Amino acid sequence: AQKVTQAQTEISVVEKEDVTLDCVYETRDTTYYLFWYKQPPSGELVFLIRRNSFDEQNEISGRYSWNFQKSTSSFNFTITASQVVDSAVYFCALSERGEAGGTSYGKLTFGQGTILTVHP
Amino acid sequence: GEEVAQTPKHLVRGEGQKAKLYCAPIKGHSYVFWYQQVLKNEFKFLISFQNENVFDETGMPKERFSAKCLPNSPCSLEIQATKLEDSAVYFCASSQGVTQQPQHFGDGTRLSIL
Repeated sequence: AQKVTQAQTEISVVEKEDVTLDCVYETRDTTYYLFWYKQPPSGELVFLIRRNSFDEQNEISGRYSWNFQKSTSSFNFTITASQVVDSAVYFCALSERGEAGGTSYGKLTFGQGTILTVHP
Repeated sequence: GEEVAQTPKHLVRGEGQKAKLYCAPIKGHSYVFWYQQVLKNEFKFLISFQNENVFDETGMPKERFSAKCLPNSPCSLEIQATKLEDSAVYFCASSQGVTQQPQHFGDGTRLSIL
């Protein structure tokens, strides 16, 4: 069965520090999709990035960057020069293609989330 | 519309009462997903639809939960005979495709069972 683990429950940093949020996943499918979502204190879920299993290129978007490594089943998220507005819960999620059978086709399996607090 | 619209934002029910939540997906999105978030962190998948057809209902509690997506109407999630443990935030998401396209989430409905 698919599984997503975010081992860091809470991270606290001071503004302008860089911070990396870890995500490790398990799947038997060869085709799958990985996502990061942000949940600010207001409660909504904001989509940040999607990566498919065949594309291991790292991606940078402004202060955000993502490192996808199939060899270690990891999809880590780095915020450079963190800001107070980055304070939120960040979720990593996995969606499977369903090749290995089972009933996981399409649904998102979320990690437990990492609470990031950025202090001024 | 351009956003997933969930109503109501908050819903308070006494234990044993019925609760009904609504979700209008983004126009043009064929898939709708319902998730339950308890204790602020843990997400549980409930059910998904492809248009008005159930796509995956493996996460739905069999006895008290039901959901529909009818043409030209918001999708709905109904809980009969609510229990205290049903207290959670219920999120609806929609997407163009079932796996590759990202799911875009509504703001959620906070259900409080007293």
